[in-house]
This record gives sequence, structure tokens and C-alpha cells, in this order.
Amino acid sequence: DADVTQTPRNRITKTGKRIMLECSQTKGHDRMYWYRQDPGLGLRLIYYSFDVKDINKGEISDGYSVSRQAQAKFSLSLESAIPNQTALYFCATSDPDPKRTDTQYFGPGTRLTVL
Amino acid sequence: AQSVAQPEDQVNVAEGNPLTVKCTYSVSGNPYLFWYVQYPNRGLQFLLKYITGDNLVKGSYGFEAEFNKSQTSFHLKKPSALVSDSALYFCAVRDRGSTLGRLYFGRGTQLTVWP
Repeated sequence: DADVTQTPRNRITKTGKRIMLECSQTKGHDRMYWYRQDPGLGLRLIYYSFDVKDINKGEISDGYSVSRQAQAKFSLSLESAIPNQTALYFCATSDPDPKRTDTQYFGPGTRLTVL
Repeated sequence: AQSVAQPEDQVNVAEGNPLTVKCTYSVSGNPYLFWYVQYPNRGLQFLLKYITGDNLVKGSYGFEAEFNKSQTSFHLKKPSALVSDSALYFCAVRDRGSTLGRLYFGRGTQLTVWP
């Protein structure tokens, strides 16, 4: 979905390095999410933010941090990357519609490899 | 606790034949249910969702899903498969009684449609 963009699309880094993955959206949604995808495990939630001042840990937040710089921007940082953080990372957005279904819309993903 | 099970890692079907991708769920309350599709090197795309009402939900690309409350299932179906339907499919659930927007995803089912 072109309304949700992620940079970089691919990144190779070394153990111990700090890296940042960025997400921007033009959908005007308040809610943003970071997931990681590993083969056979589906998507797991890392962090989520319901507005600029509201940030919450997901099920696998250890080793990650986030920053919500504006309504449209939500960044994910790995303070000291380790090999088991090699994965495909997705950003998503949602807006609580009148039925409160919170349909989520995903970016194209960032493939991160930690050597 | 909320969870989603996709019992089949892979589904193979011949082009023109009907296809079914299975999903069962567990939520403490009433669910919102979603199907997403992921094509190679792409993000997840929203296919359809169940909110309330008619148990048969129609979505994009000719897909539909049937909600069965007694069996806690939400199977994805298509009457006539296309080779271009080959992709990774994810089922997701959200408890409609929750104020949180987070989704719980299944592990995914790889659908292969052969000519």
C-alpha cells in the first residue's frame, strides 16, 4: 500500500550496531504498529502507538525501542542488533472507524539481516 | 487470551478448482475477524473482514469467508482458483470488546495454485 512507506527496504548490519527503521504514512491514521515476521511464526507485535503521546509495548518488545515523531511517522530502533533480530519488519496503520474494527493497512516491509 | 490457528501450512489446488484456507480462533469476547494476503516481496494486503450480520463475507479478488460461531472458524474460500492467487494468507482476530486495536495473527498458509 503506497500510503504506508518504509525505509530502508533492505538492510544488512553487524551485531552490536544501532539501526533505525522508519515508517511514514499519508493515510491520516492515528494508530501505528510495528510487527516482525519470521517464517512459520506469522506476525508478532513489537510496539504500537495510538497517538503521538501514547506508546505501548507489544508481545516482543525486548531489544527494541520506538519513537513517534509525528502523527505520520513511527520509527523502530534496534539499540544493539543481534542475529536473532534478522526478520522482515512491517509497519501498519489503522483508524478506529465507527464500528471500531481498526482495519490495519501495512507497509511493504523492511528485510533486516544481522550478521 | 486471544489466538488464531491456521492448521495447514500449505494448501495446493489446481486452477479452476474451489479453494479453502482454514482458520479457527479463540477470543474471550466476540470477534472481529480478518483475512490478509501477502504476495512475494510485498506487504500484507487486506482482503476482507467480518464485523457482524451475514456470516458470509465477500472481499477482494473474488474471495469470501464464512464465519461460524459454533465452530469458532472463519475459513477463506474462492469458487474457482487462479494461478495468481498463489500467495501467503493470514487470518487475524481482534476482540471487539477491547479498546485496543491490536490484531492477533495466525502463522500463515501458503496457497499454491498450479496450472
